[in-house]
Amino acid sequence: GENVEQHPSTLSVQEGDSAVIKCTYSDSASNYFPWYKQELGKRPQLIIDIRSNVGEKKDQRIAVTLNKTAKHFSLHITETQPEDSAVYFCAAPEEDDKIIFGKGTRLHILP
Amino acid sequence: ETGVTQTPRHLVMGMTNKKSLKCEQHLGHNAMYWYKQSAKKPLELMFVYNFKEQTENNSVPSRFSPECPNSSHLFLHLHTLQPEDSALYLCASSRDSSNTEAFFGQGTRLTVV
Repeated sequence: GENVEQHPSTLSVQEGDSAVIKCTYSDSASNYFPWYKQELGKRPQLIIDIRSNVGEKKDQRIAVTLNKTAKHFSLHITETQPEDSAVYFCAAPEEDDKIIFGKGTRLHILP
Repeated sequence: ETGVTQTPRHLVMGMTNKKSLKCEQHLGHNAMYWYKQSAKKPLELMFVYNFKEQTENNSVPSRFSPECPNSSHLFLHLHTLQPEDSALYLCASSRDSSNTEAFFGQGTRLTVV
């Protein structure tokens, strides 16, 4: 089955700097890689996703890169702001109907 | 907000009680999920229903019993729980498979005393 590893578990960056969170997966058949953001006391929500036919996708200050050969994908947040403080989860599909999440990264934006 | 509604938002139950969690979505999705969120395992998949058929029981103890009467509703029946079952239980739905966005409910904060 799919195994999703996420690093780091905690990340602190100065406001305005960039943050990078990495995930690896084990199932080479996986073809969809979403990232979710969960603010304190709220539900996880999708912020960006990528499919295996592209290597990079950007949406304003956030981007995701995918290396299918190495089976890893990363979330990049540039010009970080206080509202970026949250827990971020990566995910990868297993077989046809399971979404397997990483263990999450708690991102702290320091003033 | 996301179209997935969970009730109740908070639940305190004794170890001998029977209670049920409810999840409802009106997004026309065919797949629904139960996740358990705790400090040890932030998003642990419990059950998957695809087109009302249970396709996954991720080694969940039998004191948790899911029910999916139709594609819009999902229940989690709870019976003789343990204190370690205290957690946030999140329901999610997606259009048809794990290759599309999952929409989460706000969760039920369960405390077993």
